[in-house]
Amino acid sequence: AQSVTQPDIHITVSEGASLELRCNYSYGATPYLFWYVQSPGQGLQLLLKYFSGDTLVQGIKGFEAEFKRSQSSFNLRKPSVHWSDAAEYFCAVGARGFQKLVFGTGTRLLVSP
Amino acid sequence: DGGITQSPKYLFRKEGQNVTLSCEQNLNHDAMYWYRQDPGQGLRLIYYSQIVNDFQKGDIAEGYSVSREKKESFPLTVTSAQKNPTAFYLCASSSTSGSTDTQYFGPGTRLTVL
Repeated sequence: AQSVTQPDIHITVSEGASLELRCNYSYGATPYLFWYVQSPGQGLQLLLKYFSGDTLVQGIKGFEAEFKRSQSSFNLRKPSVHWSDAAEYFCAVGARGFQKLVFGTGTRLLVSP
Repeated sequence: DGGITQSPKYLFRKEGQNVTLSCEQNLNHDAMYWYRQDPGQGLRLIYYSQIVNDFQKGDIAEGYSVSREKKESFPLTVTSAQKNPTAFYLCASSSTSGSTDTQYFGPGTRLTVL
């Protein structure tokens, strides 16, 4: 069965420090991978996606993620966190074409001054 | 501007009442989805539709119903059979072909059962 694991429920990072959010997936076919961000009480905004090609993908707001097939991982990174990055982050996996996305349970990022 | 709208933003319902959540998109997407979000559980798929007049149950369809009479609209009805309806509901849409296989989300509706 398809699944996504985000092992960190909460992460606290100092403003200006680097960030890495972990995502591991289990998916039988070639996966399409996504990271979304959600501010409190809001919908989900797409940060970046991986379909194929270069395994390091760039997204909005200075985020990037690296697809590692051997580790079944798609970790999200940012070199310098800003206070406005405080939100909940969701990793998701799906397939090409019409797709039912499977979401992880999310990681809440707290940014300390 | 293209996007997905959900209304209302907040909804209160008494036990035993049905309530309908609205979702409209002007992205010309074929597929639409309804998700339920509860704290600590991520998003769970309720129903989805690939095309007008067709829809399928997701992982937690019990107590919910949908219709897809127009491409732009995919309303969700939370019936009195849903045992724990208080949650945040998110609608999404996507193209079903090409390289734009990405789901885009609306702002959500928070339903509270009193």
